[in-house]
Amino acid sequence: EPEVTQTPSHQVTQMGQEVILRCVPISNHLYFYWYRQILGQKVEFLVSFYNNEISEKSEIFDDQFSVERPDGSNFTLKIRSTKLEDSAMYFCAAASSTGPGYTFGSGTRLTVV
Amino acid sequence: DQQVKQNSPSLSVQEGRISILNCDYTNSMFDYFLWYKKYPAEGPTFLISISSIKDKNEDGRFTVFLNKSAKHLSLHIVPSQPGDSAVYFCAASLNTDKLIFGTGTRLQVFP
Repeated sequence: EPEVTQTPSHQVTQMGQEVILRCVPISNHLYFYWYRQILGQKVEFLVSFYNNEISEKSEIFDDQFSVERPDGSNFTLKIRSTKLEDSAMYFCAAASSTGPGYTFGSGTRLTVV
Repeated sequence: DQQVKQNSPSLSVQEGRISILNCDYTNSMFDYFLWYKKYPAEGPTFLISISSIKDKNEDGRFTVFLNKSAKHLSLHIVPSQPGDSAVYFCAASLNTDKLIFGTGTRLQVFP
């Protein structure tokens, strides 16, 4: 069973709407990541987050995207005004120490219509 | 951006035989390589990794080989089992936690 839980598993939203994807890591996770996989394409890095700050972000992660961990538990990815091309599987990942071998959640399938 | 490439989209292997999954990369500065396994409707699961200072790492039935001069790594699974059927992604990192993934190879192990 995955140690990182993502909700919802599937979300359908209208173009232009805001969506919030949630990730619930286990308590000793300190490092957090979001990746996405557009259907038929490779898994792509979006952002890494540590100590309540973005550590690194990709060019995909533009002003429409934001991340936060408001309650010290849930780690969220917000897309302010969704576009059709935002449709993808979004994976959260977390780790208790730095290093690339982290644990992925089972993903949220976002469908923008 | 094709820094990490998996040229074989699929591979079919008989149970008990060796599965060899290949991955090529273009950036000689990558310092860490990983293999992830992915089942449908699940996230990638970390399988095995190798540092760029090594050429082999073994964990049970899984062995990863790194050939830096050829910018090539491979994952060997022996003996292959039906439960190994999944999509396998290789990934690389460059002094950070950010992973650059390949496109994946679908492995099917048949009885």
